[in-house]
Amino acid sequence: DADVTQTPRNRITKTGKRIMLECSQTKGHDRMYWYRQDPGLGLRLIYYSFDVKDINKGEISDGYSVSRQAQAKFSLSLESAIPNQTALYFCATSDPITETQYFGPGTRLLVL
Amino acid sequence: GQNIDQPTEMTATEGAIVQINCTYQTSGFNGLFWYQQHAGEAPTFLSYNVLDGLEEKGRFSSFLSRSKGYSYLLLKELQMKDSASYLCAASGGNNRKLIWGLGTSLAVNP
Repeated sequence: DADVTQTPRNRITKTGKRIMLECSQTKGHDRMYWYRQDPGLGLRLIYYSFDVKDINKGEISDGYSVSRQAQAKFSLSLESAIPNQTALYFCATSDPITETQYFGPGTRLLVL
Repeated sequence: GQNIDQPTEMTATEGAIVQINCTYQTSGFNGLFWYQQHAGEAPTFLSYNVLDGLEEKGRFSSFLSRSKGYSYLLLKELQMKDSASYLCAASGGNNRKLIWGLGTSLAVNP
């Protein structure tokens, strides 16, 4: 089984809708991250969490919110989706010693 | 400021050797990562350099010079499946977040 899973894998939604992307991990890591990836713009950090009670904004947090329900679960919400939030979204965890990040398979989101 | 530079695209021939360079600027540098990402898939970890020098792992090797803010990824005996984007990322600062490069798209031709 995959160590980091994301649901859904693909999602089409309409402008103005609220949606939630979910991430679960079995690696036992405290640190978790949400990124978006757009062609030509690379990976950009949306939010990160160093433990259940610690949540921090990344470089592009506007229009997004997160919830860390447990060590293993970190959800990303788009309160009112807009077309420029169309992107590939990745969740990741990191090893506390080596800092190596491990990515989920990604969620491809299309906002119409 | 914090910045990572790597070439946008490279091409190489099957069986050859290719070197992908990366320069970085970050405060409180801790280490340098290389990841491989096939189109539409997640990045996967390749290597991590903390100390100066060359780390070899099978067909892939990674080099770091901390004084020059420079790293490279060396891929030997190229295979078609090595066609992918290669991401350079630097760990820095007290919170140890990664600063990501935009990736180098490598095309391996027959």
